[in-house]
Amino acid sequence: GNSVTQMEGPVTLSEEAFLTINCTYTATGYPSLFWYVQYPGEGLQLLLKATKADDKGSNKGFEATYRKETTSFHLEKGSVQVSDSAVYFCALSDRVTGNQFYFGTGTSLTVIP
Amino acid sequence: NAGVMQNPRHLVRRRGQEARLRCSPMKGHSHVYWYRQLPEEGLKFMVYLQKENIIDESGMPKERFSAEFPKEGPSILRIQQVVRGDSAAYFCASSPPWGPPSGANVLTFGAGSRLTVL
Repeated sequence: GNSVTQMEGPVTLSEEAFLTINCTYTATGYPSLFWYVQYPGEGLQLLLKATKADDKGSNKGFEATYRKETTSFHLEKGSVQVSDSAVYFCALSDRVTGNQFYFGTGTSLTVIP
Repeated sequence: NAGVMQNPRHLVRRRGQEARLRCSPMKGHSHVYWYRQLPEEGLKFMVYLQKENIIDESGMPKERFSAEFPKEGPSILRIQQVVRGDSAAYFCASSPPWGPPSGANVLTFGAGSRLTVL
């Protein structure tokens, strides 16, 4: 079946530190992969996506590369800011299993000045 | 171009009452998904609907919960005889009709409805 596994949180970093949030997946077909971000009290917003192997999604300084050989889609940012404090969700969608979306459990990030 | 609209944003109910949560998808979107988020927990899928059809309700509790997406009007998530454990944030997301298999659809989320059961 399809599933997404994210690294456990919470993660606390100092401003300008390097961020990595690990995400691995299992899928029966050829999934598309996503990172969503949820700021306090809000809904989820799409951060970036990748639709096929070796694609790199990027937005707002965040990047993630679709690695089929390691079934991973790790989120990275070179220099985090206080405003990046949020919960980050890795997700996949798989047309083979009927247009469904599968989310990880979320990783809470706090960036301190 | 309005996004996904959910209402009410906050709802307080006493045990045994009914809760109705509404979701209007983005214009042009025909697919609606409902998720529940409990405090300090991740996002749990509940149900996936198209107009007048329930496509996947594998995440819905067997009792007290129901969902619909009528031909006209918003999608509604209904919780009957609420209990304290139903207190959570309920998120609706919508997507356009799925295109070719090589395409990737994207979910657009609403701001959520926060249900508190006293």
